Amino acid sequence: NAGVMQNPRHLVRRRGQEARLRCSPMKGHSHVYWYRQLPEEGLKFMVYLQKENIIDESGMPKERFSAEFPKEGPSILRIQQVVRGDSAAYFCASSPTGQAGDTQYFGPGTRLTVL
Amino acid sequence: DAKTTQPPSMDCAEGRAANLPCNHSTISGNEYVYWYRQIHSQGPQYIIHGLKNNETNEMASLIITEDRKSSTLILPHATLRDTAVYYCIVRDRISYYMDTGRRALTFGSGTRLQVQP
Repeated sequence: NAGVMQNPRHLVRRRGQEARLRCSPMKGHSHVYWYRQLPEEGLKFMVYLQKENIIDESGMPKERFSAEFPKEGPSILRIQQVVRGDSAAYFCASSPTGQAGDTQYFGPGTRLTVL
Repeated sequence: DAKTTQPPSMDCAEGRAANLPCNHSTISGNEYVYWYRQIHSQGPQYIIHGLKNNETNEMASLIITEDRKSSTLILPHATLRDTAVYYCIVRDRISYYMDTGRRALTFGSGTRLQVQP
């Protein structure tokens, strides 16, 4: 049973470019969560999505960041016009349902470096 | 979700049991205690969770005090590969109607466990 998959594992962008991070949840999971970990800091929640719906985006920066989870295909975290401060590890987690006590399982992360 | 307090760092000798404490004095009756760990820069790894009874799985044991205000994660025979940051997180287990948010995990600073050879 494959775990949560993320790609690319490493992504380098220049300031002003766009970054697209992909997350494929575990088989049978329809709920996806994105977290960001800045260098030397803890993980911070960004957004929670169900298929075709954004459920909670309270942790997303108001500008340049967007997320989607289409009916088919992986969840995408999109960062437009990246800046150096966006350099971080971005982790995706999935759970089978949206129940509050559901265990979230994490992927290996995408490490974004903005030059 | 209730706040947790963990020591910033601990050492353990290889082959010995590692006992990682966590205080969650404001925990409510509806909240689980979850433990995750993050090895170096990898994705957080789920370890175990419990409500009020002690729990054990192939990775660890979780001991929750009777008043539920603190818990201890036990790695029975620590190895070098158990060196990681361990996070104790409390989470609401109730799904409130119309309250589809607040599913996020809130990670604190955790305990950095260093297993010594």
